[in-house]
Amino acid sequence: DSGVTQTPKHLITATGQRVTLRCSPRSGDLSVYWYQQSLDQGLQFLIQYYNGEERAKGNILERFSAQQFPDLHSELNLSSLELGDSALYFCASSKIGIQETQYFGPGTRLLVL
Amino acid sequence: DAKTTQPPSMDCAEGRAANLPCNHSTISGNEYVYWYRQIHSQGPQYIIHGLKNNETNEMASLIITEDRKSSTLILPHATLRDTAVYYCIVRPLNRDDKIIFGKGTRLHILP
Repeated sequence: DSGVTQTPKHLITATGQRVTLRCSPRSGDLSVYWYQQSLDQGLQFLIQYYNGEERAKGNILERFSAQQFPDLHSELNLSSLELGDSALYFCASSKIGIQETQYFGPGTRLLVL
Repeated sequence: DAKTTQPPSMDCAEGRAANLPCNHSTISGNEYVYWYRQIHSQGPQYIIHGLKNNETNEMASLIITEDRKSSTLILPHATLRDTAVYYCIVRPLNRDDKIIFGKGTRLHILP
């Protein structure tokens, strides 16, 4: 158990819909990262938040957005869903600082029908 | 970030040591070598990391060559639960942002 929690574990929805994925980092970790893993793309970095502020952006679509709240949990919002958004979404957290190890949550499996 | 090269797959007999190689010939002096693994559709699991000295923890040992151009992850007594995709990653010392995952090595532990 990494100490990072993600809800829900599974999500099934229809095209055009909007969903919210939630992540709670390990106690004391200020940084949260979101990654997407689809069958053909492997693990791809989406976005990072540190202490409530966006810190780095990867290949995140404009239809996707995220935020980190004062209690440090984070939410990833996916809207206007398409079939190709079906994937595993992982959250990771780390303390801030040089060479901090990222610890990953169990993931949310999203299926868009 | 320096590029890493890993074999796409490997087999290892249960109870034997699994030695997973990684080539990172373009690594620079401020880059660490990290290893993660992913057991079928679970979140990636941190294993170990190192800069230039060999490292050991309860999960594995990391052997880095003197020129730092390659490394080997050693699982000393592999079990069926070690079947996973293993990722070798090189990350700069002074960065705390994204991890760039390659394709990794799919390790099959054979009973």
